[in-house]
Amino acid sequence: DQQVKQNSPSLSVQEGRISILNCDYTNSMFDYFLWYKKYPAEGPTFLISISSIKDKNEDGRFTVFLNKSAKHLSLHIVPSQPGDSAVYFCAASLNRDDKIIFGKGTRLHILP
Amino acid sequence: DTEVTQTPKHLVMGMTNKKSLKCEQHMGHRAMYWYKQKAKKPPELMFVYSYEKLSINESVPSRFSPECPNSSLLNLHLHALQPEDSALYLCASSRAEISQGDNSPLHFGNGTRLTVT
Repeated sequence: DQQVKQNSPSLSVQEGRISILNCDYTNSMFDYFLWYKKYPAEGPTFLISISSIKDKNEDGRFTVFLNKSAKHLSLHIVPSQPGDSAVYFCAASLNRDDKIIFGKGTRLHILP
Repeated sequence: DTEVTQTPKHLVMGMTNKKSLKCEQHMGHRAMYWYKQKAKKPPELMFVYSYEKLSINESVPSRFSPECPNSSLLNLHLHALQPEDSALYLCASSRAEISQGDNSPLHFGNGTRLTVT
């Protein structure tokens, strides 16, 4: 049973425009959400996180929005740049638990 | 540059070999993790060490044997692996176990690409 779902395997966005990556989760006990970025031949790199007590967290060009009632979060990248082309993993964890559960990832292509 | 260092980057081994994967971090993190990642799939948790003690084993076969000699080092000993064990093995660390009020993100190494022949 997939607890963290990224339903779009890939997304193409024009350079300079906004990229929106979506993620849904099923477990209402999750209290911490993360986004990781992965380039080929490298390990995932932590990008941004949000606690369940917040609905928005911003860091430079990256903003994560959390809608707890819909069990949905999204990552906005604006403006999109060529270096943003990568696979983005949404992840979530339970309170008092080590396990981070990952979605299957969305491959983002930034078009010139 | 990643702050979590994994060696070797690539490893090819036969099914009767014994080999070890190594992971090192000097960020003072007290939780370390092994993940396995197959092609086009997300990382899957294998083991968690917290304060140098094994705290989670995700029902991993005994042909994978983790070891945490000290707070900076994490090894994964491999013996009698199968071809289906070929994958990218990722090490990660975090400041502490993810627990109430201390949710710290994972920092991943670049992985060891393992091929079992």
